[in-house]
Parts: sequence; C-alpha cells; structure tokens
Amino acid sequence: IAGITQAPTSQILAAGRRMTLRCTQDMRHNAMYWYRQDLGLGLRLIHYSNTAGTTGKGEVPDGYSVSRANTDDFPLTLASAVPSQTSVYFCASSVTPTVGVGANVLTFGAGSRLTVL
Amino acid sequence: QKEVEQNSGPLSVPEGAIASLNCTYSDRGSQSFFWYRQYSGKSPELIMFIYSNGDKEDGRFTAQLNKASQYVSLLIRDSQPSDSATYLCAVRGSARQLTFGSGTQLTVLP
Repeated sequence: IAGITQAPTSQILAAGRRMTLRCTQDMRHNAMYWYRQDLGLGLRLIHYSNTAGTTGKGEVPDGYSVSRANTDDFPLTLASAVPSQTSVYFCASSVTPTVGVGANVLTFGAGSRLTVL
Repeated sequence: QKEVEQNSGPLSVPEGAIASLNCTYSDRGSQSFFWYRQYSGKSPELIMFIYSNGDKEDGRFTAQLNKASQYVSLLIRDSQPSDSATYLCAVRGSARQLTFGSGTQLTVLP
C-alpha cells in the first residue's frame, strides 16, 4: 500500500537520550516534512526537504536535525531529548515542494507519539 | 497575532444542519488555502483546497475564500455524525510553506 510509514508508533524516552524517528515514503514524492502537533498549537513545521540532498528549517527547528540521503527516507533526530519535545510527530510528503497544483497537498504518516520524561 | 487563526470550538451542530468553520490569516501574500480533517488519534487528511476568490464546491463541502478580508471558510452541508472531527485550516504563505491553524473541533449530534 502506497503511503508513508513512520516508526516507532509510540516511545517513552528519558531526558538526555538520543532518538531518531523514522519516515519512509513509497510515492516518489519530492518534498518531505516533519511536523509536531501539540494541544492548542496545531501543527508546526520542524524541518523540510524539497528534494533529496537538501533540507531546510521550519518554524520550530531547535533541538532537531534531519537528513535526506535519498528520495524515500527522511529521519528526524533529537540529539538530547528534553521534556518540551513531548509531542505527536507527523511526517508528510508532497509531489512538488513549492509550485504547481501538487504543491503543499500533503500526505501524512500515521504519527509517532513521543513522551520525554 | 497568530499567522492562521481558527476558533478552537468545540462547535456542535445537529445532524443534517450546516456546519460553518472559519479561518483568518495574516499574510496578504498567501495564495493557496487548504482544509484538512483529523479524526481523534489519526493523521490529517485533505478535504479540499482553494486558490481563487469565491466558492468551490465538492460534494457536501464548500470552501469560500475572500482574499481582501483574509478569510477562508468551510461549509459542511447535511452534517453527519461521521463528520465529527477536528478541521485544520492551512495557508501557503509568501515563504511557500504551509502554516496550520490550531484547528476547530466539530461535533455533529445525532
């Protein structure tokens, strides 16, 4: 089934630990995104990648890093987790990054719920 | 002022009624506007998008855009209990990235 796979589905993590959230898509979409969703704050963009080999910072990038070595994978790493990073994380993709009808029509993964204690 | 604002709700309407969801945005350079639906515990899914001023209809859903007033709305006709969800407004601004509102929780009462 075509779509976006995120892992893990849920994780409890001790503060200070390193964590990588995985995201893989099989739709050959050029652009990929990481959002966090917190109650009352909606979805906020952490990092994005318009194409393989490039990444950019979103609204709330501090404490997170990403890489885009190929079209399909876009992992998000928390180098040293803090409790304020407790959230639901969504990976998303779109056919094109910025122009055309497909721009910003996002397909989302199922989400990863992260709790940092 | 937040870039994209929505009433958080909850908004309750009886089954069969019209639900009206509203969204305002601050970036006058915004060109594309999206409505996503998110069921509890699930990921957002696209309902529809609109680029031009006026109305755009898709089945029971109508998106309305007024760029002069920086206002976009979503009307759901003949609301069903299955429409109960959080509705997210998203705006593609001058920076060409999507900014989401915090969402409006809709409950359709049987």
